[in-house]
Amino acid sequence: EAQVTQNPRYLITVTGKKLTVTCSQNMNHEYMSWYRQDPGLGLRQIYYSMNVEVTDKGDVPEGYKVSRKEKRNFPLILESPSPNQTSLYFCASSSPSGGYEQYFGPGTRLTVT
Amino acid sequence: KNQVEQSPQSLIILEGKNCTLQCNYTVSPFSNLRWYKQDTGRGPVSLTIMTFSENTKSNGRYTATLDADTKQSSLHITASQLSDSASYICVVSEGSSGSARQLTFGSGTQLTVLP
Repeated sequence: EAQVTQNPRYLITVTGKKLTVTCSQNMNHEYMSWYRQDPGLGLRQIYYSMNVEVTDKGDVPEGYKVSRKEKRNFPLILESPSPNQTSLYFCASSSPSGGYEQYFGPGTRLTVT
Repeated sequence: KNQVEQSPQSLIILEGKNCTLQCNYTVSPFSNLRWYKQDTGRGPVSLTIMTFSENTKSNGRYTATLDADTKQSSLHITASQLSDSASYICVVSEGSSGSARQLTFGSGTQLTVLP
């Protein structure tokens, strides 16, 4: 089954404790993105990647890091989480051959206290 | 600044009724427009994608229209079902390629279908 998976699905952590949210897709998509979703603000892009070792900032990259060492994986790293990073996070993948239709993961709900 | 505005913010209808959601955008140059359905706590799922040359596209009981001249789109839901209760998000892609980098998201319309 074609899918995007994220782990963990739920995470409660404390300010300053480094964490990583993993994202993996099995569709051989070139493009992958991370978004955060906050009430009333819609989805906002954090980082995106056009292919292995090619990443670029989205609209709200501050406080986040990413890497793309393999085509299928695109982890999101919060090196020093703060309460304003409490949000619902989505990973998505797409491909030019698929008309760039985005496939979203199930989401990770992060709470930073 | 590129913007996508959706209306209404929320809508409550009775099961079996039809409804129409609106999307206005200022994104330019325009590549394509997408409607997504997002169930509470889950990732968005694509309903339709329309390019500049398409003015109508259907997916079952969902029909999207696009007027590229007025930069407006609508999503019409026919014979609503309880499972249609969700947030509906309009997304416009900028540029010539429609790639994931150049997407502008609306804030969504929260639809509630009551029995």
